[in-house]
Amino acid sequence: AAGVIQSPRHLIKEKRETATLKCYPIPRHDTVYWYQQGPGQDPQFLISFYEKMQSDKGSIPDRFSAQQFSDYHSELNMSSLELGDSALYFCASSRQGAKNIQYFGAGTRLSVL
Amino acid sequence: GIQVEQSPPDLILQEGANSTLRCNFSDSVNNLQWFHQNPWGQLINLFYIPSGTKQNGRLSATTVATERYSLLYISSSQTTDSGVYFCAVPFSGAGSYQLTFGKGTKLSVIP
Repeated sequence: AAGVIQSPRHLIKEKRETATLKCYPIPRHDTVYWYQQGPGQDPQFLISFYEKMQSDKGSIPDRFSAQQFSDYHSELNMSSLELGDSALYFCASSRQGAKNIQYFGAGTRLSVL
Repeated sequence: GIQVEQSPPDLILQEGANSTLRCNFSDSVNNLQWFHQNPWGQLINLFYIPSGTKQNGRLSATTVATERYSLLYISSSQTTDSGVYFCAVPFSGAGSYQLTFGKGTKLSVIP
């Protein structure tokens, strides 16, 4: 079965640089979620999109932005990167009306040097 | 928001042993998911279990929604079961499905 695809899997950036993470949800899933997991921490919700509109917002820094495109893939844009942004970033997808079970991608591991 | 507490925080098992992991949550929920995060960081769906009992091989889970807790049972543990087990519930906001995770139980299965 198709799963959530995230790219890249690993990313190394310098402080103050920008990064773009991509997420391709499971086919026919209409909702995408982004989570951030710091070292030794549990995943924290950042932002979600339903049918290409932002549906919910969590603890996402103002330096980050995200969107969902017409083909339902989503991108998380991160600017002015800081050391503290080093984390594992997960994308999850679900289908409204299908119990909203969230399926997670393999994550993007971002290291900011 | 909703509070999720998991116990124990750490668990070391000999291969072949059984274990029970617990997840308590502070509010009524209509969704609860258990995940296994393997040593490579991948979050694997184990169960969607808002109530009742489900089994999948050596793993089973029970949620008692009225008492606000869920249990994950691992029988005949194997070294590949090592990792962190998370339970997660939706944030208790109208129409919001963002998941709130517990701090996890780190399981180490030794040969």
